[in-house]
Amino acid sequence: EIVLTQSPGTLSLSPGERATLSCRASQSVSSSYLAWYQQRPGQAPRVLIYGASSRATGIPDRFSGSGSGTDFTLTISRLEPEDLAVYYCQQYGSSPHTFGQGTKLEIK
Amino acid sequence: QVQLVQSGAEVKKPGSSVKVSCMVSGGAFSSYSISWVRQAPGQGLEWMGRILPMLDVADYAQKFQGRVTITADKSTNTAYMELSSLRSEDTAVYYCARDLPAYHWGQGTLLTVSS
Repeated sequence: EIVLTQSPGTLSLSPGERATLSCRASQSVSSSYLAWYQQRPGQAPRVLIYGASSRATGIPDRFSGSGSGTDFTLTISRLEPEDLAVYYCQQYGSSPHTFGQGTKLEIK
Repeated sequence: QVQLVQSGAEVKKPGSSVKVSCMVSGGAFSSYSISWVRQAPGQGLEWMGRILPMLDVADYAQKFQGRVTITADKSTNTAYMELSSLRSEDTAVYYCARDLPAYHWGQGTLLTVSS
């Protein structure tokens, strides 16, 4: 089973700042089958990034993903108040399709 | 558009079983996997397993092996997740989600396990 470790656990930033979230895998994620999800309070998750770096339909270009192998990053270039959420990475290259434990993004 | 509609909240006793449904509309049911993901109160997302309706093949996270069964009924475009031998730690919101990565999610079903 691939274990995904996200850091930091909590990130507190101001609107307009840049957020950098990390997801590290215990073994290589095949074909960069790594996705990022945003879960706002009280809502189901929604996919932001798939294939490590491709933005899902309708996702603003403030969100970008990068990385390969075992190290992946989600960057939010200019934070907005509505970015308050928990962000999860998920690998879907091999079963079980595990999630990271999440990074909580707080907006000051 | 694609919609996943789940069955309503459940309250169960420890040791019993629960079966949650997920009806898919607006898309080709058989062509996409359906995963089940749970989220305990205040906790993160946990992938439980998935089914490929076209092949009627399911696979499960090791943690749930022997306790969970995921099935699909192609005649009604509905997927099911049955969890047995319930314990208090199974109290969570259970989501179904289509495809990997999951672009479409159900609204979630709250399961409360309590004596």
